[in-house]
Amino acid sequence: QSALTQPPSASGSPGQSVTISCTGTSSDVGGYDYVSWYQHHPGKAPKLMIYDVSKRPSGVPDRFSGSKSGNTASLTVSGLQAEDEADYYCSSYAGSTPFVFGTGTKVTVL
Amino acid sequence: EVQLVESGGGLVQPGGSLRLSCAASGFTFTSYVMHWVRQAPGKGLAWVSRINHDGTITTYADSVKGRFTISRDTAKNTLYLEMNSLRAEDTAVYFCAGDIEYKYDYWGQGTLVTVSS
Repeated sequence: QSALTQPPSASGSPGQSVTISCTGTSSDVGGYDYVSWYQHHPGKAPKLMIYDVSKRPSGVPDRFSGSKSGNTASLTVSGLQAEDEADYYCSSYAGSTPFVFGTGTKVTVL
Repeated sequence: EVQLVESGGGLVQPGGSLRLSCAASGFTFTSYVMHWVRQAPGKGLAWVSRINHDGTITTYADSVKGRFTISRDTAKNTLYLEMNSLRAEDTAVYFCAGDIEYKYDYWGQGTLVTVSS
């Protein structure tokens, strides 16, 4: 199972929005509505930000939103804040594998 | 407070063995499928292994199949990863993570495994 494809980097100024794509296949992203997104500050535990494509866990700001079209999922961070600077990974259920991760995107707040 | 605390990482020679542990607290351990996920230096996250609620079903990535063994002790709320025949490409930070309904709700901070002579 190959990793899902994400852009290596994304950036925006405080208050702006940034969108990260996550492209897979019909065997993972396109085949299930089980796409999740994780925020990872190096040296710390990754944190669940979005699950089931577009649901937010309790405590995650509504500035974070998710969507999916075909084999590509997206994470949008609106109203960027300094603390949003981190690495972001998508993940999809993939059947027998059972999970496949994205290649990761480093978000920089300018 | 939910906590997953990994331990057991370190420096090991190629061909050697290591046993990782992950102590869970603050949630119902037996309700969660547990995983090991790793991150090689400068790389992204990669799924390693999974074990079901009662430890009867295990799954492995092809890269570790036959060399790694995942297990859990429900009495101790602890997850394990026995790693044998270690290779340089196994060098990574190893995270344990709890999965319920197709998402990783909980993660540990990871433990570093370095395979080098």
